Amino acid sequence: AQKITQTQPGMFVQEKEAVTLDCTYDTSDQSYGLFWYKQPSSGEMIFLIYQGSYDEQNATEGRYSLNFQKARKSANLVISASQLGDSAMYFCAMRPDSNYQLIWGAGTKLIIKP
Amino acid sequence: AAGVIQSPRHLIKEKRETATLKCYPIPRHDTVYWYQQGPGQDPQFLISFYEKMQSDKGSIPDRFSAQQFSDYHSELNMSSLELGDSALYFCASSLRQGRADTQYFGPGTRLTVL
Repeated sequence: AQKITQTQPGMFVQEKEAVTLDCTYDTSDQSYGLFWYKQPSSGEMIFLIYQGSYDEQNATEGRYSLNFQKARKSANLVISASQLGDSAMYFCAMRPDSNYQLIWGAGTKLIIKP
Repeated sequence: AAGVIQSPRHLIKEKRETATLKCYPIPRHDTVYWYQQGPGQDPQFLISFYEKMQSDKGSIPDRFSAQQFSDYHSELNMSSLELGDSALYFCASSLRQGRADTQYFGPGTRLTVL
């Protein structure tokens, strides 16, 4: 079965601290892509970062990095030096190469405290 | 950079009415996706088009139909609206032949059925 699990429904983090959002996945595909999206309260869905299953290095995009541990089937998002504007819902998603559809996790609601 | 455009941004309809949502993908993207997101839920895939042909079908009700036109814009037609159709509807586009096939989302159309 293809599945994404995000075990943290909600998190509170102090501003300027780093935060790790957990994501584990299950797929029988050898080739797949992993994505993180941010959804602020305004509703838009913003692409943050991508990791391919054959990428040897962890993906980074500015303050976002993806801690990819293939053997453990985890793809955690790390946000460094959190800001108030990081408060949002964060979704982890997977696209197996056998299927063009995204498989979504339930999301983690992140609240940054001043 | 150009983004996905959706119109209208907000729509209020009565039960049993029809609605048409429009989507203009990022230029040169070859795939369009439609999603429905209820409150507190992850996006549910409805349907996708690759090079103007229907590609995949998800949990799209029979009351809904969609198409992609020669200029690559897409429309989601919703008939006999029900209260449960109230949701945020996203269109996303991607370049399927690209490395990551990353889906970029539009701002969404918030549909309220009264």
